[in-house]
Amino acid sequence: GENVEQHPSTLSVQEGDSAVIKCTYSDSASNYFPWYKQELGKRPQLIIDIRSNVGEKKDQRIAVTLNKTAKHFSLHITETQPEDSAVYFCAASDHTGGFKTIFGAGTRLFVKA
Amino acid sequence: GAVVSQHPSRVICKSGTSVKIECRSLDFQATTMFWYRQFPKQSLMLMATSNEGSKATYEQGVEKDKFLINHASLTLSTLTVTSAHPEDSSFYICSALSGNTIYFGEGSWLTVV
Repeated sequence: GENVEQHPSTLSVQEGDSAVIKCTYSDSASNYFPWYKQELGKRPQLIIDIRSNVGEKKDQRIAVTLNKTAKHFSLHITETQPEDSAVYFCAASDHTGGFKTIFGAGTRLFVKA
Repeated sequence: GAVVSQHPSRVICKSGTSVKIECRSLDFQATTMFWYRQFPKQSLMLMATSNEGSKATYEQGVEKDKFLINHASLTLSTLTVTSAHPEDSSFYICSALSGNTIYFGEGSWLTVV
């Protein structure tokens, strides 16, 4: 079945440094790749997404890259701040085949002040 | 943006009883909703796709007779956990599809004692 792998599971960085989280997916039909930030007991918050016809997207300090051939996509956070500390999930979805979204295992990001 | 509401936000039930969780799209019609379960410090695991007016599509390993899903209207899907056991204690969260965007509910904490 569909599978999304995410690494690392935990990431600790110094404030101001960059953080990179990487994901791979198995379903070649996936064409939409959202990234979510989740705080404990709350709903996931969409922070950025990328569609399969684009290789890179940036929104201020956050960027996402996609390599469809290798089925890899990554989240890059620059100039990290303590408030970036949270759990981040990547996900993959087929937006032409039902929109079922499969999540990665999550990365707990700690930004040390 | 669109709003998806879940109720109850927290529920405690006795082992062996059933509990119903509601997922409502407040300002849009959703023919498709999704139900996820999230154990502490783990990812969101897709349980089933809820389709208005038809049977839900369950993911492999999810017991359809234990987790009853009803999507009788375009704004409401319900998840009933039948004969609940302590191992069913978890955070249950729904999402609804509007256009090509997914909106998450606030989640429901279920504790089975």
